[in-house]
Amino acid sequence: QVRLQESGPGLVKPSGTLSLTCAVSGGSINNTDWWIWVRQAPGKGLEWIGEVYHSGTTRYNPSLKSRVTISVDKSRNQFSLKLRSVSAADTAVYFCSRIVAAKYYFYAMDVWGRGTAVTVSS
Amino acid sequence: DFQVTQSPSSLSASVGDRVTITCRASQSITNYLNWYQQRPGTAPRLLIYATSNLQSGVPSRFSGSGSGTDFTLTISRLQPEDFATYYCQQSYTTPPITFGQGTRLEIK
Repeated sequence: QVRLQESGPGLVKPSGTLSLTCAVSGGSINNTDWWIWVRQAPGKGLEWIGEVYHSGTTRYNPSLKSRVTISVDKSRNQFSLKLRSVSAADTAVYFCSRIVAAKYYFYAMDVWGRGTAVTVSS
Repeated sequence: DFQVTQSPSSLSASVGDRVTITCRASQSITNYLNWYQQRPGTAPRLLIYATSNLQSGVPSRFSGSGSGTDFTLTISRLQPEDFATYYCQQSYTTPPITFGQGTRLEIK
């Protein structure tokens, strides 16, 4: 059974870069799954950040596209999120998730990490 | 702009009640609609995908229906563990993937 675990700094300074990692266990990041980042600002709803395939193919939320990079590290069986030029508006809980190939067109995210809270503050 | 709107934003009900949550898209999304449950302090959990398909391990009291622009999530007999926030999510018009604003289900 695939499990996901987010990690990274809980505090980032304004204008800095938020960097998070999602470790994949119980399965290979090289299989036909898609790997996703979603965030949730305090007291707010869910916001899709973007996705990556093991080949490195990515797709991003247009509202964040100029600041986001999602990448895969096959050697470590993990994927990462980098968000540049952060502000207080990027304070949120960040979740990583997975979609199996058979459910990609319905974008059914069936496995989630527990989430990691990131605060942007000086 | 394309929008997905959930209603109601909050709902009070009692254990054993039948409740329905609605998600409306601003244009047809055929059946590209999923439902998630999120308990406080935890990650979302996939309940229903492709409008009406029950995710493995999800109790059968949860069901989904609809097509085009109007969709519903029904919980047939509320259990104490069902009090949570529910989100719909569409994948027809992308990017981006979008979620409804959420429906908070509270105990009456």
